[in-house]
Amino acid sequence: GAVVSQHPSWVICKSGTSVKIECRSLDFQATTMFWYRQFPKQSLMLMATSNEGSKATYEQGVEKDKFLINHASLTLSTLTVTSAHPEDSSFYICSLTGTLSYEQYFGPGTRLTVT
Amino acid sequence: RKEVEQDPGPFNVPEGATVAFNCTYSNSASQSFFWYRQDCRKEPKLLMSVYSSGNEDGRFTAQLNRASQYISLLIRDSKLSDSATYLCVASQAGTALIFGKGTTLSVSS
Repeated sequence: GAVVSQHPSWVICKSGTSVKIECRSLDFQATTMFWYRQFPKQSLMLMATSNEGSKATYEQGVEKDKFLINHASLTLSTLTVTSAHPEDSSFYICSLTGTLSYEQYFGPGTRLTVT
Repeated sequence: RKEVEQDPGPFNVPEGATVAFNCTYSNSASQSFFWYRQDCRKEPKLLMSVYSSGNEDGRFTAQLNRASQYISLLIRDSKLSDSATYLCVASQAGTALIFGKGTTLSVSS
């Protein structure tokens, strides 16, 4: 299967700052990547679908101006949390679809803590 | 109504026990179904796919009932290492996965 990396694996930032999270596909060209968010004891919730070379598709309730997604190449998608607040503290995970449309491969996740 | 609903748990069982998790999904257009395992503070990892004919992988058996929109996972002879959260997943081909909230299993010696 595909190997997916995320950077950073964890980050602590102050309220009001912006944080960029990178998701890289190390051995697979992904036209589509997904960004999920998981709060403690909650399910993974899809935030947006990142499409290479075009705008991301956001799920209802996710602010596109706050969570900026850029899918600049077939191996890199970035999620920027702008003007972060403590309520944005969460586990952010990216995934991509493999050769077979039902396969999905997850990155190791980024734990964001906003103080 | 949530798209994928699971037993709330937690399930606390002794080693060697058999435990079953249930899950229902609301989107009848869902085509693919999975069980994922998630350890604390880690990303989810695919445990097994679920087919209408049922499938077995060692101590794990998964079953799908499309008419009832119901998915199950049976774990036999539980091991300490099975302690984790088990996520039920439904999706349409090529789209993002829809996760259930997860059921926590704790196996004790």
